[in-house]
Amino acid sequence: QSVLTQPPSASGTPGQRVTISCSGSSSNIERYIVNWYKQLPGTAPKMLIHNDNQRSSGVPDRFSGSKSGTSATLAISGLQSDDEADYYCASRDSSLNAWVFGGGTKLTVL
Amino acid sequence: EVQLVQSGGGLVQPGGSLRLSCEASGFTLSTYWMSWVRQAPGKGLEWVANIKEDGSAQYYVGSVKGRFSIFRDNSKNLLYLQLSSLTAEDTAVYYCARDGPMGDLWGQGTLVTVSS
Repeated sequence: QSVLTQPPSASGTPGQRVTISCSGSSSNIERYIVNWYKQLPGTAPKMLIHNDNQRSSGVPDRFSGSKSGTSATLAISGLQSDDEADYYCASRDSSLNAWVFGGGTKLTVL
Repeated sequence: EVQLVQSGGGLVQPGGSLRLSCEASGFTLSTYWMSWVRQAPGKGLEWVANIKEDGSAQYYVGSVKGRFSIFRDNSKNLLYLQLSSLTAEDTAVYYCARDGPMGDLWGQGTLVTVSS
């Protein structure tokens, strides 16, 4: 069971806007920055968003991150077929003195 | 090219040991914290350990404390993870990752399989 909670799955049709939530606590998300990663099957993760809402180099502005209190959200607008992947959030945790990941969300483009 | 290239890994018996390596190129390793992250088959990502730029501080996830050791040789642009007292639960793809911010650059991953 992951310290950060993500929905196991999400879906949308091409062109739609989808959001993926990441729920934590006062010892992680509320206190520290949140990063988001995209992972295609059999490949290493790729950073999409860092410091809650900063897009990594080369990441299109269809991707955005936000945070409020103990929760963070990744939003993807103008959904495309190659957005189909697993998405993970991560943050530091003061109680564990460690980085923690969400369990991951499998995004399906219908 | 800025990249992390991993080596090591493979099949090891329960209770055995293994060393993973991660070679940095295209950037100065000594200016970054570095992490190891693993992913068990069909599972999510799990942060394992990280190490300060000069190697003077290391932090570990609870499940590997006392069994894994992260260290680095900045003169050779190399990061290491020494795994010992391995169990089946340690079977995973292990990734090295640069912390600039955390996970801004990843190695290709290397599979460690613990089985008799």
